[in-house]
Amino acid sequence: AQKITQTQPGMFVQEKEAVTLDCTYDTSDPSYGLFWYKQPSSGEMIFLIYQGSYDQQNATEGRYSLNFQKARKSANLVISASQLGDSAMYFCAMSPSSGGGADGLTFGKGTHLIIQP
Amino acid sequence: SAVISQKPSRDICQRGTSLTIQCQVDSQVTMMFWYRQQPGQSLTLIATANQGSEATYESGFVIDKFPISRPNLTFSTLTVSNMSPEDSSIYLCSVGDRRGVGELFFGEGSRLTVL
Repeated sequence: AQKITQTQPGMFVQEKEAVTLDCTYDTSDPSYGLFWYKQPSSGEMIFLIYQGSYDQQNATEGRYSLNFQKARKSANLVISASQLGDSAMYFCAMSPSSGGGADGLTFGKGTHLIIQP
Repeated sequence: SAVISQKPSRDICQRGTSLTIQCQVDSQVTMMFWYRQQPGQSLTLIATANQGSEATYESGFVIDKFPISRPNLTFSTLTVSNMSPEDSSIYLCSVGDRRGVGELFFGEGSRLTVL
């Protein structure tokens, strides 16, 4: 079975600072995918970034980057130059194959990020 | 990307009643997923809805409580039966796409409150 652990229930960060949200995972499958989603207070789930288990380089999408350390089974999300609009819940998730989320995802408990002006 | 519409967006229900949530997608998708998000909690997969076959339920979820229909490749319904206050949650429909990185796309969710 797959398991996602997010150990930070909440984080306060000053605007314009970089922030790292932790995510560790556990799986016995050699092939898997890792995702990060943002859920603002409106409740919608917004896909941010994806990392496949066989990807050699860390994924980046604009201000989002994924610090993927396969041996440590960690996939931390890094947000550079944080903005007030980044305040939201952030969920790390895993799919059972590197083919992506079409197989359904297992979610972590989430981290509530609050950006302070 | 896929655009997903869910109805109702929110509802207040009485204990013992049932409510059906509709999910409409703007393109044909093979698999649709139903998630539950209890207050302040993460998302938990209820079931995978495949067109032309019965839904596949995750551990802890049963068809009698959460019957699902999938009549075609763009539509699905989830019914929450015989509701109790513990069923108060956000229910989210999502679809997967094997193109690109295959991320899941989510509807806006249906926020149910059971009194």
